[in-house]
Amino acid sequence: EPEVTQTPSHQVTQMGQEVILRCVPISNHLYFYWYRQILGQKVEFLVSFYNNEISEKSEIFDDQFSVERPDGSNFTLKIRSTKLEDSAMYFCASSVSGGFPYEQYFGPGTRLTVT
Amino acid sequence: AQSVTQLDSHVSVSEGTPVLLRCNYSSSYSPSLFWYVQHPNKGLQLLLKYTSAATLVKGINGFEAEFKKSETSFHLTKPSAHMSDAAEYFCVVSSPVSGNTPLVFGKGTRLSVIA
Repeated sequence: EPEVTQTPSHQVTQMGQEVILRCVPISNHLYFYWYRQILGQKVEFLVSFYNNEISEKSEIFDDQFSVERPDGSNFTLKIRSTKLEDSAMYFCASSVSGGFPYEQYFGPGTRLTVT
Repeated sequence: AQSVTQLDSHVSVSEGTPVLLRCNYSSSYSPSLFWYVQHPNKGLQLLLKYTSAATLVKGINGFEAEFKKSETSFHLTKPSAHMSDAAEYFCVVSSPVSGNTPLVFGKGTRLSVIA
């Protein structure tokens, strides 16, 4: 069964460094998403992406964040200058279409630790 | 605005006994509701979804949920718990504003199953 994959599973970085989290969505999916979960808190929406542009973003997704689909398979989340409060589990998701109802398929997550 | 409240942060049941995980939602539109499960070190897996068809929804692994509009509830149940059901469960709401509307998660309920 096709699945969303994410790399790395765990990333440790120092405050102020740039990180890139990578995701490979399911191959025939057209909509892509990033969510994050700070330890002990809710899963929160960051951004959605369709047709090579951002469809929607939350207040969390400020200028420090960017997303890109550099080729036909990868979908990346970049944090330019990490802060301690960026430490969280980051989930990538994809869905096949924009029609409703739809289902988002999630990857296993990348745990980001900022020291 | 949409929101989800999961009434219990932790539920503990004995193997073979019924499971009840409670969820209340708030939505300005006719919502779609989902239950996702997360096993340790795994991604979020869809258990079941309600999308304005039958109010009693059957999902995978013997789980089901009933949409009750009058009570704004979408509780998850299973007649007989299995050890493999131990995981974190998330109630999620979305509304058909657009096909890639973000999912809004509850805080999660950790289910423990005692042998």
